[in-house]
This record gives sequence, structure tokens and C-alpha cells, in this order.
Amino acid sequence: DTEVTQTPKHLVMGMTNKKSLKCEQHMGHRAMYWYKQKAKKPPELMFVYSYEKLSINESVPSRFSPECPNSSLLNLHLHALQPEDSALYLCASSQANGQRPNEQFFGPGTRLTVL
Amino acid sequence: SQQGEEDPQALSIQEGENATMNCSYKTSINNLQWYRQNSGRGLVHLILIRSNEREKHSGRLRVTLDTSKKSSSLLITASRAADTASYFCATDNSGYSTLTFGKGTMLLVSP
Repeated sequence: DTEVTQTPKHLVMGMTNKKSLKCEQHMGHRAMYWYKQKAKKPPELMFVYSYEKLSINESVPSRFSPECPNSSLLNLHLHALQPEDSALYLCASSQANGQRPNEQFFGPGTRLTVL
Repeated sequence: SQQGEEDPQALSIQEGENATMNCSYKTSINNLQWYRQNSGRGLVHLILIRSNEREKHSGRLRVTLDTSKKSSSLLITASRAADTASYFCATDNSGYSTLTFGKGTMLLVSP
């Protein structure tokens, strides 16, 4: 199984809502990533988990809260978001952070709209 | 920070023609990767070239790497309408454990 799955595909939420994005992979990868991508821009790294521990937080606002319950799952909890947080949120995984080659496998993304 | 810079930003060609995209970067790298993204979808890994390699082929893809000029090119031969997508280079930088993506080239292949 070389697939990274993400749910939901689309999410519309108000600024007072709490929601979660989910990501799953069964490739035995030990590094997982969250990216944010605005239209016509490259992906921007948000968080990196390595062996289920948060290793990189790219100064992301606290209204985004990542969680890695186990080696296959990655969540992104959302609370009190702003309209400018509307974007495509991509999850990716790779063999292990620091091991090379480190090609990343991406999920299809969650299209988030904040009203 | 984004260190990869692709050019052109957009490229429009006819089916059957070749498409060439270029990527420049600033720091030393372990490898350079190319990804494709169809509109609003996830990225798909296309090819990886290590810093000690100069050229690599995969099907209709040809990638070159010139570390002295800190640049890479992606050539897609005999393009098809299905190749229409955005293409990103990503550098695996020495001393870091993450990828840095370039701004991307939007390729449109018309039938």
C-alpha cells in the first residue's frame, strides 16, 4: 500500500468551530508532515513528526495543533481559525526524517474554507 | 524559506512537443526531487537525482543536475494533454531534514 489518505476532502468551518483533519499511511514510514498550500503557491511546511514525536514546528500559530497518535496516523486539530487560513492542507510521509533518500508521499489534501 | 526558483512560471505547448523546466537553488544539497501536482490535488513524486549524479531518466522524463551552477532541468518528451499540471522542484538540503519547494511551473499541454 503506497497511499496516503486524508479526510475529509473538503471542509467548511466557521471561525468559532473546532474541527480535525486526519491523515493515514500504511507504508511503515516514520516521518509525517503537514503542509499548507495556497492557490498557485508551493507547499509550505507546517509540522514534522519523526517517530511519533514533533520534531519541527515552523512557527505555526497555536490555533493549529498537530497530533500523532501512532506511527500510521497524523491529525491536525483546528480551532478559532481565520479566513486567511483557507487553503489546501497536505499530509505527506517519508521513510524516516533524516534518512535519505527522503522522497515524500503526499495525500490528496483537504480543501479548507474558513468563513 | 523557499530556495528553489523554477522558470518559466508558466509554459504552454502542443501535444507531442517537448517541455523543459528549470530550477535554481542557493545552498548545497543532498538530492533534488521533482514533483507533479494536478489542479487541487496532492503532489506526486516523479524523480530524484542525487548530488553526485548529472543526469537521470525515467520514461519520458529526463532530469539534469549541475551542482556548480546550482541548477536542474526537467525535460518531458513527447508531451501529452495528461501532462498538464504544476511541476515543483524540491531540494533536500545538506544539514536539514526537510524539503524546500520551488515556486513551480504550470504546464499546459493542448491537444
